[in-house]
Amino acid sequence: QVQLVESGGGVVQPGRSLRLSCVASGFNFNIYGMYWVRQTPGKGLEWVAVMSYDGTTKYYADSVKGRFTISRDNSKNTLYLQMSSLRADDTAEYYCAKDRIVGGITVIDDWGQGTLVTVSS
Amino acid sequence: DIQMTQSPSTLSASVGDRVTITCRASQTISTWLAWYQQKPGKSPKLLIYKVSTLNVGVPSRFSGSGSGTEFTLTISSLQPDDFGTYYCQQYNTQWTFGQGTKVEIK
Repeated sequence: QVQLVESGGGVVQPGRSLRLSCVASGFNFNIYGMYWVRQTPGKGLEWVAVMSYDGTTKYYADSVKGRFTISRDNSKNTLYLQMSSLRADDTAEYYCAKDRIVGGITVIDDWGQGTLVTVSS
Repeated sequence: DIQMTQSPSTLSASVGDRVTITCRASQTISTWLAWYQQKPGKSPKLLIYKVSTLNVGVPSRFSGSGSGTEFTLTISSLQPDDFGTYYCQQYNTQWTFGQGTKVEIK
């Protein structure tokens, strides 16, 4: 079955950088769009970034544009989120997620278990 | 940005009750509307997409309806396993979630 396993979360100081990884298994990673979504108790669920199956299309939420970069390595079945200039309001549980449709960027289907990022001095 | 507003924020109902959650979009999203269920400590699970299409394995007591800016999720007969928080999400323009509706079993 689909498995998405995030890693790389932790405590980081404001202004610093962090890279999250998501290793996928149980499906053909190469043909699905992939997402990062974050969740906080206060702001709820917030879509962060999405990348098409082939990496040619990327979109970012305005709140992270210019600071976060989504990427993927299809040879390693891995999705990444490079986060820089981190702020306190980036503190959240970060989920990796998969699109429902082959080759598309449509609706989020399967989710990982999440990795917690805490931005604090 | 498209804003999604759910109501109520919390509801408490008995097993067997019919439960309805409403989601309103700040502008038309056609039929690009999904519903997710999240249980405490777990990641969200896709229940319904394109307003009314049940995801694989989702019980038929769940249904969705609506179009344009007004949408509803209905649980026809609430079961003990249906507790959790339900989120609507639009995917017409980027992706935006509602603030969630917490469903408690009386």
